Amino acid sequence: KQEVTQIPAALSVPEGENLVLNCSFTDSAIYNLQWFRQDPGKGLTSLLLIQSSQREQTSGRLNASLDKSSGRSTLYIAASQPGDSATYLCAVTPSGTYKYIFGTGTRLKVLA
Amino acid sequence: NAGVTQTPKFRVLKTGQSMTLLCAQDMNHEYMYWYRQDPGMGLRLIHYSVGEGTTAKGEVPDGYNVSRLKKQNFLLGLESAAPSQTSVYFCASSYSPPTGPGELFFGEGSRLTVL
Repeated sequence: KQEVTQIPAALSVPEGENLVLNCSFTDSAIYNLQWFRQDPGKGLTSLLLIQSSQREQTSGRLNASLDKSSGRSTLYIAASQPGDSATYLCAVTPSGTYKYIFGTGTRLKVLA
Repeated sequence: NAGVTQTPKFRVLKTGQSMTLLCAQDMNHEYMYWYRQDPGMGLRLIHYSVGEGTTAKGEVPDGYNVSRLKKQNFLLGLESAAPSQTSVYFCASSYSPPTGPGELFFGEGSRLTVL
């Protein structure tokens, strides 16, 4: 059974720091991995989607990498800002299924 | 550009009452999903659909039913609400490229309280 883990559960950093969020999964047979952002009381917003054949994806200050063989993905946020404060979740789609399996998220707080 | 729309956004029920949550998407997506989100539990899949007229069980389907009579709509029903169904419910949809499910788009959520 595919399991997705995100550590740490919470993280506080001063503004301007570069930071890395981690996501690990137990089964490397996946279609893709997706990173999301969730603001309090809101839905999830897709940040980056990495197909299983890709190693990384970039969007602005965000860079997500995927190492399928080791079951790991990282989300790198450059020059963090208070507006980046949110919960970040990752999800994988196991091969042969239509389901997304989510981690429990990392709650990020960027201090001004 | 509406995306994924959920109604209602808030609802309070008494134990034993029934209700239906409606999800509508305007992106012509094949796949639609219902999740519930609880503190410390993350997002758990209730039911999903891979096309009009199809539904399938997810991780926590008990106590819920779904229907997908039209491609753009996915309904989640609670026949006899229980306090354990107090949660925030999210609907999501995705397109279906040959390489598997694509990017997932979420609604804003429906907060349900069962007394």
